Amino acid sequence: EVQLVESGGGLVQPGGSLRLSCAASGFTFSTYAMSWVRQAPGKGLEWVSGISGSGGSTYYADSVKGRFTISRDNSKNTLYLQMNSLRVEDTAIYYCAKAPGSVRPRNCDYWGQGTLVTVSS
Amino acid sequence: QSVLTQPPSVSGAPGQRVTISCTGSSSNIGAGYDVHWYQQLPGTAPKLLIYDNSNRPSGVPDRFSGSKSGTSASLAITGLQAEDEADYYCQSYDTSLSAVVFGGGTKLTVL
Repeated sequence: EVQLVESGGGLVQPGGSLRLSCAASGFTFSTYAMSWVRQAPGKGLEWVSGISGSGGSTYYADSVKGRFTISRDNSKNTLYLQMNSLRVEDTAIYYCAKAPGSVRPRNCDYWGQGTLVTVSS
Repeated sequence: QSVLTQPPSVSGAPGQRVTISCTGSSSNIGAGYDVHWYQQLPGTAPKLLIYDNSNRPSGVPDRFSGSKSGTSASLAITGLQAEDEADYYCQSYDTSLSAVVFGGGTKLTVL
């Protein structure tokens, strides 16, 4: 059974940093691309970033480019999202999601339960 | 403003059929990229409902179906049930943005 468990969310001040983690199990982690998708309170889904199965290619939404960094440790079956220069508008539930392919994530076939990031002074 | 356009809400009585539209452009759906649909029940994470325009993952009832034509796609739900009340999102890929894009979501109310 595929399981994705996010952690690392919390309250941070504007301009601060946070690192999210996503522990994966139930599939061969290194074979599949992964994404982070967020959902602001009461709003819709927004794709944030993606990474290939090997970790060699990364992709970002314009809204986070230059501030967020996605990475993965295939030896630990873990996906990360380093978030710097956080803004109030980054407040959201952040979901980790698995892609069905290995190169560029174009959709999500499994989702984690999400972790809440609140950016506020 | 979302790249893919969905109606904010739809409703139907139990047993009825409803459809949810998803309108894109020549840089996403019209460029040939597949459309996927997700169901988000209240307070839970999204779940894949339809992939590659019209395919259902294992475990999804055949009451749910998807189609795509030109720059648009649609999700149809037949035999509406109370447990179908949820938010539904379409999703594709946009070549101009080089990004995965979602619709704004449609809230389905079962009357």
